[in-house]
Amino acid sequence: ETGVTQTPRHLVMGMTNKKSLKCEQHLGHNAMYWYKQSAKKPLELMFVYSLEERVENNSVPSRFSPECPNSSHLFLHLHTLQPEDSALYLCASSQAGPLSGANVLTFGAGSRLTVL
Amino acid sequence: GNSVTQMEGPVTLSEEAFLTINCTYTATGYPSLFWYVQYPGEGLQLLLKATKADDKGSNKGFEATYRKETTSFHLEKGSVQVSDSAVYFCALSPPSGGSYIPTFGRGTSLIVHP
Repeated sequence: ETGVTQTPRHLVMGMTNKKSLKCEQHLGHNAMYWYKQSAKKPLELMFVYSLEERVENNSVPSRFSPECPNSSHLFLHLHTLQPEDSALYLCASSQAGPLSGANVLTFGAGSRLTVL
Repeated sequence: GNSVTQMEGPVTLSEEAFLTINCTYTATGYPSLFWYVQYPGEGLQLLLKATKADDKGSNKGFEATYRKETTSFHLEKGSVQVSDSAVYFCALSPPSGGSYIPTFGRGTSLIVHP
Protein backbone atom coordinates (compact mmCIF):
# COMPACT_ATOMS: atom_id res chain seq x y z
CA GLU A 1 0.00 0.00 0.00
CA THR A 2 1.29 3.46 -0.87
CA GLY A 3 0.68 6.96 0.46
CA VAL A 4 -0.57 7.87 3.92
CA THR A 5 -3.15 5.61 5.55
CA GLN A 6 -5.23 6.61 8.57
CA THR A 7 -7.34 4.33 10.73
CA PRO A 8 -10.05 4.33 11.79
CA ARG A 9 -11.80 6.59 9.28
CA HIS A 10 -14.64 7.22 11.73
CA LEU A 11 -14.65 7.05 15.52
CA VAL A 12 -17.36 7.79 18.05
CA MET A 13 -16.34 7.87 21.68
CA GLY A 14 -17.61 8.94 25.04
CA MET A 15 -15.82 11.49 27.17
CA THR A 16 -14.40 8.83 29.49
CA ASN A 17 -13.10 6.51 26.77
CA LYS A 18 -9.51 5.97 25.71
CA LYS A 19 -8.90 5.43 22.01
CA SER A 20 -6.09 5.88 19.50
CA LEU A 21 -5.79 7.12 15.96
CA LYS A 22 -3.19 5.50 13.75
CA CYS A 23 -1.27 6.85 10.79
CA GLU A 24 1.08 4.93 8.53
CA GLN A 25 3.16 6.17 5.62
CA HIS A 26 4.94 4.11 2.97
CA LEU A 27 6.72 6.98 1.25
CA GLY A 28 10.05 6.87 3.06
CA HIS A 29 9.42 10.32 4.53
CA ASN A 30 11.23 11.51 7.63
CA ALA A 31 8.63 13.91 9.09
CA MET A 32 5.05 13.29 10.23
CA TYR A 33 2.35 15.71 11.33
CA TRP A 34 -1.02 15.77 13.10
CA TYR A 35 -3.54 18.46 12.14
CA LYS A 36 -7.01 19.17 13.50
CA GLN A 37 -9.66 20.38 11.05
CA SER A 38 -12.86 21.77 12.56
CA ALA A 39 -15.79 23.27 10.71
CA LYS A 40 -15.37 26.99 9.98
CA LYS A 41 -11.89 27.10 11.58
CA PRO A 42 -8.41 27.18 10.06
CA LEU A 43 -6.35 24.04 9.86
CA GLU A 44 -4.63 23.64 13.25
CA LEU A 45 -1.16 22.12 13.47
CA MET A 46 -0.97 19.91 16.57
CA PHE A 47 2.31 17.98 16.50
CA VAL A 48 5.30 17.47 14.24
CA TYR A 49 7.80 14.63 14.43
CA SER A 50 11.07 14.64 12.56
CA LEU A 51 13.14 11.43 12.63
CA GLU A 52 10.90 10.22 15.47
CA GLU A 53 11.66 13.25 17.61
CA ARG A 54 8.88 15.70 18.45
CA VAL A 55 9.84 19.10 17.08
CA GLU A 56 6.55 20.96 17.41
CA ASN A 57 3.81 20.93 20.00
CA ASN A 58 1.32 23.71 19.50
CA SER A 59 -0.06 24.07 23.03
CA VAL A 60 -2.24 21.04 22.59
CA PRO A 61 -4.16 19.88 25.70
CA SER A 62 -2.62 16.89 27.45
CA ARG A 63 -5.69 14.77 26.69
CA PHE A 64 -4.06 14.36 23.26
CA SER A 65 -0.86 12.32 23.43
CA PRO A 66 1.19 11.63 20.30
CA GLU A 67 3.52 8.70 19.79
CA CYS A 68 5.97 8.09 16.96
CA PRO A 69 7.60 4.65 17.42
CA ASN A 70 9.37 4.77 14.04
CA SER A 71 9.51 6.95 10.96
CA SER A 72 6.58 5.12 9.31
CA HIS A 73 4.04 5.21 12.11
CA LEU A 74 2.37 7.93 14.11
CA PHE A 75 -0.32 7.59 16.75
CA LEU A 76 -2.60 10.03 18.51
CA HIS A 77 -3.79 8.68 21.84
CA LEU A 78 -7.07 10.18 23.04
CA HIS A 79 -8.13 10.32 26.67
CA THR A 80 -10.98 12.08 28.46
CA LEU A 81 -11.93 14.17 25.44
CA GLN A 82 -14.51 16.95 25.30
CA PRO A 83 -17.31 17.41 22.74
CA GLU A 84 -15.42 20.38 21.26
CA ASP A 85 -12.66 17.94 20.28
CA SER A 86 -14.98 16.51 17.64
CA ALA A 87 -13.24 17.19 14.32
CA LEU A 88 -11.43 15.65 11.39
CA TYR A 89 -7.89 14.68 12.39
CA LEU A 90 -5.48 14.68 9.49
CA CYS A 91 -2.09 13.02 9.39
CA ALA A 92 0.56 14.10 6.90
CA SER A 93 4.13 13.22 6.05
CA SER A 94 6.95 14.87 4.14
CA GLN A 95 10.60 14.58 3.30
CA ALA A 96 11.61 17.59 5.31
CA GLY A 97 14.50 19.27 6.98
CA PRO A 98 16.22 22.61 7.20
CA LEU A 99 17.92 22.07 3.83
CA SER A 100 15.03 20.45 2.02
CA GLY A 101 13.56 23.49 0.29
CA ALA A 102 9.93 23.14 -0.83
CA ASN A 103 8.25 21.03 1.83
CA VAL A 104 5.39 19.17 0.15
CA LEU A 105 3.03 17.38 2.52
CA THR A 106 1.19 14.19 1.65
CA PHE A 107 -2.02 13.87 3.64
CA GLY A 108 -4.10 10.91 4.69
CA ALA A 109 -7.87 10.89 4.26
CA GLY A 110 -8.40 11.75 7.91
CA SER A 111 -10.13 10.23 10.94
CA ARG A 112 -13.53 11.75 11.68
CA LEU A 113 -13.89 11.87 15.48
CA THR A 114 -17.16 12.46 17.31
CA VAL A 115 -17.10 12.89 21.08
CA LEU A 116 -20.43 12.38 22.81
CA GLY B 1 6.07 35.29 11.50
CA ASN B 2 4.78 33.74 8.30
CA SER B 3 1.14 34.07 7.29
CA VAL B 4 -1.15 33.29 4.37
CA THR B 5 -4.37 35.16 3.61
CA GLN B 6 -7.02 33.77 1.29
CA MET B 7 -10.26 35.27 0.09
CA GLU B 8 -13.34 34.33 2.07
CA GLY B 9 -15.66 31.78 0.56
CA PRO B 10 -17.72 30.16 -0.55
CA VAL B 11 -17.11 31.00 -4.17
CA THR B 12 -20.12 29.92 -6.24
CA LEU B 13 -19.81 29.63 -10.03
CA SER B 14 -21.61 28.10 -12.95
CA GLU B 15 -19.89 25.43 -15.00
CA GLU B 16 -17.39 26.82 -17.55
CA ALA B 17 -16.98 30.10 -15.65
CA PHE B 18 -13.56 31.64 -14.98
CA LEU B 19 -12.14 31.10 -11.50
CA THR B 20 -9.83 33.26 -9.42
CA ILE B 21 -9.04 32.59 -5.78
CA ASN B 22 -6.80 35.23 -4.26
CA CYS B 23 -3.89 34.42 -1.98
CA THR B 24 -1.32 36.74 -0.45
CA TYR B 25 1.46 35.89 1.94
CA THR B 26 3.86 37.37 4.46
CA ALA B 27 7.25 35.76 4.88
CA THR B 28 10.93 36.60 5.10
CA GLY B 29 13.10 35.60 2.20
CA TYR B 30 11.78 33.50 -0.67
CA PRO B 31 9.36 30.82 0.50
CA SER B 32 7.96 28.06 -1.67
CA LEU B 33 4.24 28.47 -2.42
CA PHE B 34 1.57 25.82 -2.85
CA TRP B 35 -2.07 25.24 -3.58
CA TYR B 36 -3.67 22.20 -2.01
CA VAL B 37 -7.19 20.90 -2.74
CA GLN B 38 -9.50 18.96 -0.46
CA TYR B 39 -12.38 17.09 -2.10
CA PRO B 40 -15.36 16.10 0.08
CA GLY B 41 -14.52 13.27 2.44
CA GLU B 42 -10.80 13.33 1.66
CA GLY B 43 -7.57 14.78 2.95
CA LEU B 44 -5.66 17.62 1.30
CA GLN B 45 -3.63 16.89 -1.81
CA LEU B 46 -1.08 19.01 -3.61
CA LEU B 47 -2.54 20.77 -6.64
CA LEU B 48 0.46 22.83 -7.76
CA LYS B 49 3.53 24.60 -6.47
CA ALA B 50 6.11 27.28 -7.30
CA THR B 51 9.50 27.58 -5.67
CA LYS B 52 10.85 30.92 -6.90
CA ALA B 53 9.68 34.32 -8.08
CA ASP B 54 7.90 34.41 -11.47
CA ASP B 55 7.52 30.61 -11.51
CA LYS B 56 4.14 29.40 -12.73
CA GLY B 57 2.72 26.23 -11.23
CA SER B 58 0.07 24.39 -13.22
CA ASN B 59 -1.97 21.20 -12.99
CA LYS B 60 -5.41 19.97 -14.17
CA GLY B 61 -6.08 23.31 -15.90
CA PHE B 62 -5.29 25.33 -12.76
CA GLU B 63 -2.47 27.88 -12.73
CA ALA B 64 -0.82 30.19 -10.22
CA THR B 65 2.14 32.55 -10.65
CA TYR B 66 4.57 33.41 -7.84
CA ARG B 67 4.56 37.24 -7.69
CA LYS B 68 7.25 38.48 -5.33
CA GLU B 69 6.47 42.16 -5.91
CA THR B 70 2.85 41.76 -4.76
CA THR B 71 3.52 38.77 -2.44
CA SER B 72 0.70 36.91 -4.16
CA PHE B 73 -0.03 33.45 -5.57
CA HIS B 74 -3.55 33.66 -7.00
CA LEU B 75 -5.18 30.48 -8.30
CA GLU B 76 -6.91 30.61 -11.70
CA LYS B 77 -8.76 28.27 -14.02
CA GLY B 78 -10.28 29.25 -17.32
CA SER B 79 -13.31 26.97 -17.27
CA VAL B 80 -14.42 25.23 -14.08
CA GLN B 81 -16.29 21.94 -13.90
CA VAL B 82 -18.69 20.55 -11.32
CA SER B 83 -15.95 18.12 -10.31
CA ASP B 84 -13.76 21.08 -9.24
CA SER B 85 -16.07 21.70 -6.27
CA ALA B 86 -13.77 21.42 -3.27
CA VAL B 87 -11.91 23.47 -0.66
CA TYR B 88 -8.69 25.11 -1.86
CA PHE B 89 -5.83 25.94 0.52
CA CYS B 90 -2.95 28.28 -0.20
CA ALA B 91 0.24 27.49 1.72
CA LEU B 92 3.90 28.40 2.02
CA SER B 93 6.99 26.66 3.29
CA PRO B 94 9.91 28.75 4.49
CA PRO B 95 13.13 28.90 2.51
CA SER B 96 15.93 26.43 3.23
CA GLY B 97 17.91 26.92 6.40
CA GLY B 98 15.10 27.58 8.81
CA SER B 99 11.88 26.02 10.02
CA TYR B 100 10.40 23.82 7.32
CA ILE B 101 6.93 23.61 8.80
CA PRO B 102 4.39 24.98 6.30
CA THR B 103 1.81 27.68 6.97
CA PHE B 104 -1.70 27.23 5.55
CA GLY B 105 -4.42 29.72 4.70
CA ARG B 106 -7.96 29.23 6.01
CA GLY B 107 -9.18 27.57 2.83
CA THR B 108 -11.69 28.76 0.23
CA SER B 109 -14.70 26.63 -0.62
CA LEU B 110 -15.60 26.45 -4.33
CA ILE B 111 -19.07 25.34 -5.41
CA VAL B 112 -19.66 24.81 -9.13
CA HIS B 113 -23.23 24.42 -10.37
CA PRO B 114 -24.16 22.64 -13.61
